[in-house]
Amino acid sequence: GAVVSQHPSWVICKSGTSVKIECRSLDFQATTMFWYRQFPKQSLMLMATSNEGSKATYEQGVEKDKFLINHASLTLSTLTVTSAHPEDSSFYICSARGRSNEKLFFGSGTQLSVL
Amino acid sequence: KQEVTQIPAALSVPEGENLVLNCSFTDSAIYNLQWFRQDPGKGLTSLLLIQSSQREQTSGRLNASLDKSSGRSTLYIAASQPGDSATYLCAVYTGGGNKLTFGTGTQLKVEL
Repeated sequence: GAVVSQHPSWVICKSGTSVKIECRSLDFQATTMFWYRQFPKQSLMLMATSNEGSKATYEQGVEKDKFLINHASLTLSTLTVTSAHPEDSSFYICSARGRSNEKLFFGSGTQLSVL
Repeated sequence: KQEVTQIPAALSVPEGENLVLNCSFTDSAIYNLQWFRQDPGKGLTSLLLIQSSQREQTSGRLNASLDKSSGRSTLYIAASQPGDSATYLCAVYTGGGNKLTFGTGTQLKVEL
């Protein structure tokens, strides 16, 4: 099956720093990528949808300037958490879908802890 | 707004038991429905995808059914094993397949 690689798997950073998370589709071209966050014992919440070469569409309540999404190529999307604060600590997961795929394939997730 | 609910929230069963996980959604105009498994601190593993025109899908010991008109799906796990212990999530696709809404999850523990 299709593989989506997400890196890093965990990161600890100081408050005020920025963190970049990468999501790569390894064996297919991902025309659409999705970013989710998950708080402990809660379900995944969609943050934004990105299509290759265009600006991301953010869900209501998600700050565009804080969570920068770049989908510059058909195999790579990045999520940058700018000026991270402790309340941004969460599990972030990306998913990707190709042109002919109906299924979404998920990365392994990134656990972000902001001190 | 689509809302997806899963019952029960948590379930503990002895090994070998057959079990059913329930998923309900408020808007029946879905594109597809997908069941996932999530292990602690890890990403999602896709289990089964049911298209809106289908009634069920099977993979090994797993069988998922879909009743779109009543807004329900069930995941049946036969002969449960300790390795099945995980959180199971259902998710529905709407908006032509571009929007995925996740359920609240069922945390399953299969004991020896």
